[in-house]
Amino acid sequence: QQPVQSPQAVILREGEDAVINCSSSKALYSVHWYRQKHGEAPIFLMILLKGGEQKGHDKISASFNEKKQQSSLYLTASQLSYSGTYFCGTEMGSSASKIIFGSGTRLSIRP
Amino acid sequence: NAGVTQTPKFRVLKTGQSMTLLCAQDMNHEYMYWYRQDPGMGLRLIHYSVGEGTTAKGEVPDGYNVSRLKKQNFLLGLESAAPSQTSVYFCASGQLIDAFFGQGTRLTVV
Repeated sequence: QQPVQSPQAVILREGEDAVINCSSSKALYSVHWYRQKHGEAPIFLMILLKGGEQKGHDKISASFNEKKQQSSLYLTASQLSYSGTYFCGTEMGSSASKIIFGSGTRLSIRP
Repeated sequence: NAGVTQTPKFRVLKTGQSMTLLCAQDMNHEYMYWYRQDPGMGLRLIHYSVGEGTTAKGEVPDGYNVSRLKKQNFLLGLESAAPSQTSVYFCASGQLIDAFFGQGTRLTVV
């Protein structure tokens, strides 16, 4: 039931773009995205609830394709502060209420 | 504005000892979760609760018990600690649209 994230790791130069994918073998009710810096707690980025929904703030956005059971996180013009491990969390079914996380994508931004 | 508070932050246990981790939230959230995170890995759900007096098993519940006697508190218990339970434990609370994490408890079982 754990969602699959790809790639496992990305190294970018400051200003470059990145896409992180999250896919599930089961139907999804929602997808959550979190970022965790080393030694810190995960921080909530956004949640996508509906098929085809897109959200974003600043230069980080995400899409949710309910039919394909996948979500993608887009980071544009990356900044050094974007470094960290990104996790997607998925809920299956409207009454599921439990969030299952993928194994994470480690993003490293270099000057 | 405390958010989600976990106690203790660090603990070393001997194999076979028991302990309880406390998670407290002041946001009136219905949902609370306990996760464990092993080095270089993602978060794995141990147990969760959808409201006061309710608990449910997550992905890796064996060796752990939980209780939610009060809405604001979610307790995680280890009855007989094993070295395999060495991990960082995160508590989170939310309302299904988001989740806020505590700072984690680093537990070492020797």
